[in-house]
Amino acid sequence: EDQVTQSPEALRLQEGESSSLNCSYTVSGLRGLFWYRQDPGKGPEFLFTLYSAGEEKEKERLKATLTKKESFLHITAPKPEDSATYLCAVQAAGANSKLTFGKGITLSVRP
Amino acid sequence: KAGVTQTPRYLIKTRGQQVTLSCSPISGHRSVSWYQQTPGQGLQFLFEYFSETQRNKGNFPGRFSGRQFSNSRSEMNVSTLELGDSALYLCASSSYMGQIYEQYFGPGTRLTVT
Repeated sequence: EDQVTQSPEALRLQEGESSSLNCSYTVSGLRGLFWYRQDPGKGPEFLFTLYSAGEEKEKERLKATLTKKESFLHITAPKPEDSATYLCAVQAAGANSKLTFGKGITLSVRP
Repeated sequence: KAGVTQTPRYLIKTRGQQVTLSCSPISGHRSVSWYQQTPGQGLQFLFEYFSETQRNKGNFPGRFSGRQFSNSRSEMNVSTLELGDSALYLCASSSYMGQIYEQYFGPGTRLTVT
Protein backbone atom coordinates (compact mmCIF):
# COMPACT_ATOMS: atom_id res chain seq x y z
CA GLU A 1 0.00 0.00 0.00
CA ASP A 2 1.26 3.46 -0.91
CA GLN A 3 2.15 5.63 2.07
CA VAL A 4 3.15 9.27 2.54
CA THR A 5 4.45 10.71 5.81
CA GLN A 6 5.05 14.41 6.33
CA SER A 7 7.06 16.01 9.10
CA PRO A 8 6.91 17.99 11.23
CA GLU A 9 3.13 18.26 11.68
CA ALA A 10 3.42 21.97 12.40
CA LEU A 11 6.20 24.50 11.99
CA ARG A 12 6.43 28.04 13.29
CA LEU A 13 9.01 30.33 11.72
CA GLN A 14 10.02 33.92 12.10
CA GLU A 15 9.79 35.96 8.92
CA GLY A 16 13.03 35.48 7.00
CA GLU A 17 13.93 32.23 8.81
CA SER A 18 14.48 29.57 6.12
CA SER A 19 13.53 25.94 6.71
CA SER A 20 12.58 22.65 5.03
CA LEU A 21 9.46 20.49 5.08
CA ASN A 22 9.91 16.75 4.70
CA CYS A 23 7.82 14.21 2.81
CA SER A 24 8.75 10.52 3.01
CA TYR A 25 7.02 8.04 0.75
CA THR A 26 6.73 4.38 -0.14
CA VAL A 27 5.03 3.61 -3.43
CA SER A 28 5.04 0.79 -5.92
CA GLY A 29 6.32 2.53 -9.00
CA LEU A 30 6.37 6.28 -8.55
CA ARG A 31 4.88 8.14 -11.47
CA GLY A 32 5.11 11.52 -9.77
CA LEU A 33 5.20 13.42 -6.49
CA PHE A 34 3.10 16.52 -6.00
CA TRP A 35 3.23 19.46 -3.63
CA TYR A 36 0.13 21.50 -2.89
CA ARG A 37 -0.58 24.51 -0.70
CA GLN A 38 -3.91 24.73 1.11
CA ASP A 39 -5.30 27.79 2.83
CA PRO A 40 -8.04 27.41 5.47
CA GLY A 41 -11.44 26.68 3.93
CA LYS A 42 -10.04 26.36 0.40
CA GLY A 43 -9.07 23.59 -1.96
CA PRO A 44 -5.43 22.60 -2.43
CA GLU A 45 -3.49 24.79 -4.85
CA PHE A 46 -1.05 23.02 -7.16
CA LEU A 47 2.61 23.96 -6.63
CA PHE A 48 4.97 21.38 -8.17
CA THR A 49 5.21 17.99 -9.82
CA LEU A 50 8.46 16.03 -9.52
CA TYR A 51 9.00 12.95 -11.65
CA SER A 52 12.37 11.41 -10.84
CA ALA A 53 15.10 11.38 -8.20
CA GLY A 54 17.43 14.33 -8.47
CA GLU A 55 14.83 16.64 -9.93
CA GLU A 56 14.38 20.14 -8.50
CA LYS A 57 11.77 22.82 -9.15
CA GLU A 58 11.53 26.39 -7.91
CA LYS A 59 8.81 28.97 -7.56
CA GLU A 60 9.47 32.26 -5.81
CA ARG A 61 10.64 31.37 -2.27
CA LEU A 62 9.86 27.65 -2.67
CA LYS A 63 12.13 24.91 -3.96
CA ALA A 64 11.11 21.25 -4.14
CA THR A 65 13.58 18.38 -4.42
CA LEU A 66 13.13 14.63 -4.82
CA THR A 67 15.11 11.54 -3.86
CA LYS A 68 14.13 7.88 -4.14
CA LYS A 69 12.56 7.92 -0.68
CA GLU A 70 11.67 11.50 0.17
CA SER A 71 11.00 15.00 -1.02
CA PHE A 72 11.82 18.30 0.58
CA LEU A 73 10.10 21.64 0.23
CA HIS A 74 12.63 24.33 1.06
CA ILE A 75 11.28 27.74 2.01
CA THR A 76 13.78 30.56 1.73
CA ALA A 77 13.22 33.78 3.68
CA PRO A 78 9.52 33.09 4.25
CA LYS A 79 6.93 35.83 4.60
CA PRO A 80 3.69 35.78 6.63
CA GLU A 81 1.72 35.17 3.41
CA ASP A 82 3.50 31.80 3.10
CA SER A 83 1.52 30.61 6.12
CA ALA A 84 -0.61 27.66 4.98
CA THR A 85 -0.79 23.87 5.08
CA TYR A 86 1.57 22.18 2.64
CA LEU A 87 0.46 18.82 1.29
CA CYS A 88 2.58 16.17 -0.37
CA ALA A 89 1.04 13.44 -2.53
CA VAL A 90 2.24 10.57 -4.72
CA GLN A 91 0.79 9.09 -7.87
CA ALA A 92 1.65 5.46 -8.48
CA ALA A 93 2.06 3.69 -11.77
CA GLY A 94 -1.19 2.02 -12.74
CA ALA A 95 -3.25 4.15 -10.36
CA ASN A 96 -4.46 6.49 -13.09
CA SER A 97 -4.95 9.90 -11.50
CA LYS A 98 -5.38 8.72 -7.89
CA LEU A 99 -3.24 10.62 -5.40
CA THR A 100 -2.19 9.34 -1.98
CA PHE A 101 -1.70 12.28 0.39
CA GLY A 102 0.26 12.90 3.54
CA LYS A 103 -1.48 14.58 6.47
CA GLY A 104 0.13 17.93 5.67
CA ILE A 105 2.43 20.38 7.44
CA THR A 106 0.91 23.54 8.89
CA LEU A 107 3.35 26.39 8.47
CA SER A 108 2.98 29.61 10.43
CA VAL A 109 5.28 32.55 9.66
CA ARG A 110 5.35 35.35 12.21
CA PRO A 111 6.18 38.93 11.15
CA LYS B 1 -9.41 29.00 -18.32
CA ALA B 2 -11.97 28.76 -15.56
CA GLY B 3 -10.99 26.54 -12.67
CA VAL B 4 -12.82 23.63 -11.11
CA THR B 5 -16.17 24.63 -9.67
CA GLN B 6 -18.14 22.83 -7.00
CA THR B 7 -21.69 23.35 -5.81
CA PRO B 8 -22.99 23.87 -3.29
CA ARG B 9 -20.17 25.28 -1.16
CA TYR B 10 -21.86 24.50 2.12
CA LEU B 11 -24.46 21.97 3.17
CA ILE B 12 -26.08 20.99 6.44
CA LYS B 13 -27.89 17.68 6.51
CA THR B 14 -29.42 15.41 9.11
CA ARG B 15 -28.36 11.83 9.83
CA GLY B 16 -30.11 9.38 7.55
CA GLN B 17 -30.62 11.85 4.72
CA GLN B 18 -28.85 11.70 1.38
CA VAL B 19 -26.87 14.39 -0.42
CA THR B 20 -25.66 15.09 -3.95
CA LEU B 21 -22.60 17.22 -4.67
CA SER B 22 -21.68 18.58 -8.08
CA CYS B 23 -18.38 19.29 -9.80
CA SER B 24 -17.57 20.98 -13.11
CA PRO B 25 -14.01 20.27 -14.27
CA ILE B 26 -11.65 22.54 -16.13
CA SER B 27 -12.62 22.72 -19.79
CA GLY B 28 -11.01 19.89 -21.73
CA HIS B 29 -10.29 17.73 -18.68
CA ARG B 30 -11.89 14.31 -18.92
CA SER B 31 -10.82 12.86 -15.58
CA VAL B 32 -12.58 13.85 -12.36
CA SER B 33 -11.61 12.54 -8.92
CA TRP B 34 -13.28 13.00 -5.56
CA TYR B 35 -11.60 13.20 -2.17
CA GLN B 36 -12.82 13.47 1.41
CA GLN B 37 -10.84 15.67 3.78
CA THR B 38 -11.19 15.44 7.56
CA PRO B 39 -8.91 16.73 10.33
CA GLY B 40 -8.15 13.20 11.53
CA GLN B 41 -7.65 11.34 8.24
CA GLY B 42 -6.51 14.08 5.92
CA LEU B 43 -7.31 13.77 2.22
CA GLN B 44 -8.61 10.37 1.20
CA PHE B 45 -9.41 9.23 -2.33
CA LEU B 46 -13.03 8.31 -2.99
CA PHE B 47 -13.18 7.53 -6.73
CA GLU B 48 -12.18 8.64 -10.19
CA TYR B 49 -14.24 8.94 -13.35
CA PHE B 50 -12.95 9.14 -16.89
CA SER B 51 -15.18 9.38 -19.94
CA GLU B 52 -18.27 8.53 -17.86
CA THR B 53 -16.68 5.35 -16.43
CA GLN B 54 -15.45 4.77 -12.91
CA ARG B 55 -11.91 3.53 -13.26
CA ASN B 56 -10.61 3.73 -9.72
CA LYS B 57 -12.21 3.45 -6.31
CA GLY B 58 -11.01 4.11 -2.79
CA ASN B 59 -11.84 2.35 0.45
CA PHE B 60 -15.24 3.80 1.23
CA PRO B 61 -18.58 2.07 1.84
CA GLY B 62 -21.13 1.66 -0.92
CA ARG B 63 -23.12 4.61 0.49
CA PHE B 64 -20.67 6.77 -1.46
CA SER B 65 -21.29 6.73 -5.19
CA GLY B 66 -20.69 8.93 -8.15
CA ARG B 67 -21.23 9.41 -11.83
CA GLN B 68 -19.92 11.44 -14.72
CA PHE B 69 -21.85 12.95 -17.58
CA SER B 70 -20.90 13.25 -21.24
CA ASN B 71 -19.71 16.85 -20.69
CA SER B 72 -17.33 15.56 -17.97
CA ARG B 73 -19.31 17.15 -15.15
CA SER B 74 -19.51 14.82 -12.17
CA GLU B 75 -21.73 14.26 -9.19
CA MET B 76 -21.18 12.30 -6.02
CA ASN B 77 -23.93 11.02 -3.80
CA VAL B 78 -23.86 9.96 -0.19
CA SER B 79 -26.86 8.03 1.07
CA THR B 80 -27.94 7.39 4.66
CA LEU B 81 -25.68 10.09 6.05
CA GLU B 82 -23.75 9.46 9.26
CA LEU B 83 -22.17 11.98 11.63
CA GLY B 84 -18.74 10.80 10.48
CA ASP B 85 -19.49 11.91 6.93
CA SER B 86 -19.02 15.52 8.00
CA ALA B 87 -16.05 16.67 5.95
CA LEU B 88 -14.77 18.84 3.15
CA TYR B 89 -15.44 17.08 -0.15
CA LEU B 90 -13.00 18.03 -2.85
CA CYS B 91 -13.23 17.46 -6.56
CA ALA B 92 -10.15 17.48 -8.77
CA SER B 93 -9.94 17.48 -12.52
CA SER B 94 -6.93 16.12 -14.36
CA SER B 95 -5.23 16.40 -17.66
CA TYR B 96 -2.78 13.79 -18.87
CA MET B 97 0.62 15.40 -19.35
CA GLY B 98 2.32 12.58 -21.24
CA GLN B 99 3.38 10.52 -18.24
CA ILE B 100 1.37 11.84 -15.36
CA TYR B 101 -2.01 13.23 -14.43
CA GLU B 102 -1.76 16.73 -12.99
CA GLN B 103 -4.70 17.36 -10.71
CA TYR B 104 -6.32 20.70 -9.99
CA PHE B 105 -8.73 21.03 -7.11
CA GLY B 106 -11.94 22.93 -6.67
CA PRO B 107 -12.83 24.92 -3.54
CA GLY B 108 -14.70 22.02 -1.98
CA THR B 109 -18.14 21.45 -0.49
CA ARG B 110 -18.28 21.63 3.29
CA LEU B 111 -20.81 19.02 4.47
CA THR B 112 -22.02 19.08 8.05
CA VAL B 113 -24.16 16.18 9.27
CA THR B 114 -26.16 16.78 12.47
